[in-house]
Amino acid sequence: SQQGEEDPQALSIQEGENATMNCSYKTSINNLQWYRQNSGRGLVHLILIRSNEREKHSGRLRVTLDTSKKSSSLLITASRAADTASYFCATPYSGAGSYQLTFGKGTKLSVIP
Amino acid sequence: SQTIHQWPATLVQPVGSPLSLECTVEGTSNPNLYWYRQAAGRGLQLLFYSVGIGQISSEVPQNLSASRPQDRQFILSSKKLLLSDSGFYLCAWGLGRGNQETQYFGPGTRLLVL
Repeated sequence: SQQGEEDPQALSIQEGENATMNCSYKTSINNLQWYRQNSGRGLVHLILIRSNEREKHSGRLRVTLDTSKKSSSLLITASRAADTASYFCATPYSGAGSYQLTFGKGTKLSVIP
Repeated sequence: SQTIHQWPATLVQPVGSPLSLECTVEGTSNPNLYWYRQAAGRGLQLLFYSVGIGQISSEVPQNLSASRPQDRQFILSSKKLLLSDSGFYLCAWGLGRGNQETQYFGPGTRLLVL
């Protein structure tokens, strides 16, 4: 079942601007992850934020998590053309004796040079 | 370091033909392995996952099957392809414990069924 939903579906910005993408989820989670997918390629893990963390940084990436609102945001500062990609949030759910990840439909980010 | 390979990169197959997609992982032992399908402009749908050799769990009913004959090899198969099997197939392996697992993806196979 799909849990995370990204918003907006598509985002177009000028190089140098900041890009903010949001993810909402339905049930309580232990952690939330963000992934990037360049066109026609596999997904690349960006960052994992745990439920007891409110904010996490990695380079130009800033992720926040608000468990009371069941939402997360991914901020990319000083965007570059190379940041053009789709961005997905993923949350774990319990399957038959193990955990799997469920992914949202993604936000397609276009950074215009 | 760990790497994950998928082949072929692109495949065009007629309806009713068989399918075999292969995924191999290097540099890790006993990984959790996953097969996903991604329709154009959509999110990922988990098809199968495996926690060990010969252990396959299916998430959705379909005409696809998966096998794990070796620790680091995961194969996706079909006896007769349908048009609806077209899509982008991604293999992934998991690092971490339980619900803290992070997944690492292969480059994907684009399948077009005509």
